[in-house]
Amino acid sequence: KQEVTQIPAALSVPEGENLVLNCSFTDSAIYNLQWFRQDPGKGLTSLLLIQSSQREQTSGRLNASLDKSSGRSTLYIAASQPGDSATYLCAVEYGNKLVFGAGTILRVKS
Amino acid sequence: NAGVMQNPRHLVRRRGQEARLRCSPMKGHSHVYWYRQLPEEGLKFMVYLQKENIIDESGMPKERFSAEFPKEGPSILRIQQVVRGDSAAYFCASSQGLASDTQYFGPGTRLTVL
Repeated sequence: KQEVTQIPAALSVPEGENLVLNCSFTDSAIYNLQWFRQDPGKGLTSLLLIQSSQREQTSGRLNASLDKSSGRSTLYIAASQPGDSATYLCAVEYGNKLVFGAGTILRVKS
Repeated sequence: NAGVMQNPRHLVRRRGQEARLRCSPMKGHSHVYWYRQLPEEGLKFMVYLQKENIIDESGMPKERFSAEFPKEGPSILRIQQVVRGDSAAYFCASSQGLASDTQYFGPGTRLTVL
C-alpha cells in the first residue's frame, strides 16, 4: 500500500529559527515528490518538485531533499518568518496520482 | 495565463440534493485530477480524466459519485443524494499529461451538507 507520513504533525517555532519537516513514503517506485503549502481555507501552492532522479531542489529559503532508497524527504526552511505559518504537505506521485501526507502545521511566532 | 479555476468556491446542499462541482483546467492542459480533503484528513485522490475519457477512478466512492470531462467545457464532479459525510473541500488539478509533469491545483470547492 502506498502511504505517506509526515512528522511532526505540528510545529511551533520562534521567528528566525531554521527548521526541518520530514516526509516518509512506503513505496519507493515514485515519479516525483512535491512539497506544497496550504493556508487555512485556501488551495495548494507548489513549493518544490523533486524528480525521482534528483537528490534535492532549492528555492530561496527552502531546500528539499529526496532519498528514494530510504523512502524519505525533508523540507528545510531557513530563517523562518511569521509569513511561513501554514500547513505543509508532502505528496508523492505514483503513475498519474499524488498520494499526500496528512501535513505539518507550522506556526512561526514573532 | 489563468490558473485552474473551480466553481463554485462554496456550495451548500441539504441531504439528498445533488452537488455539481466544476473545474476548468489551465490553458493547454488536457488532463484533470480530482482530490477530496475531508475535515482533519489529508487530500485523497479520487479520479483522473482526459478529454472524454476516465483514466483512473480508483479513488472514487462506488456509489453516488461520478466525473466527466467533455470535449468542450469544464470537468464536472457530480455527487448525487449528498450526505453529511460528503462535506469536504474538493480540489481539482490539471497537467499537460507528460511524464512527471507538475499538477497545478485550483482553489477548491468547499461543500457543506446540512
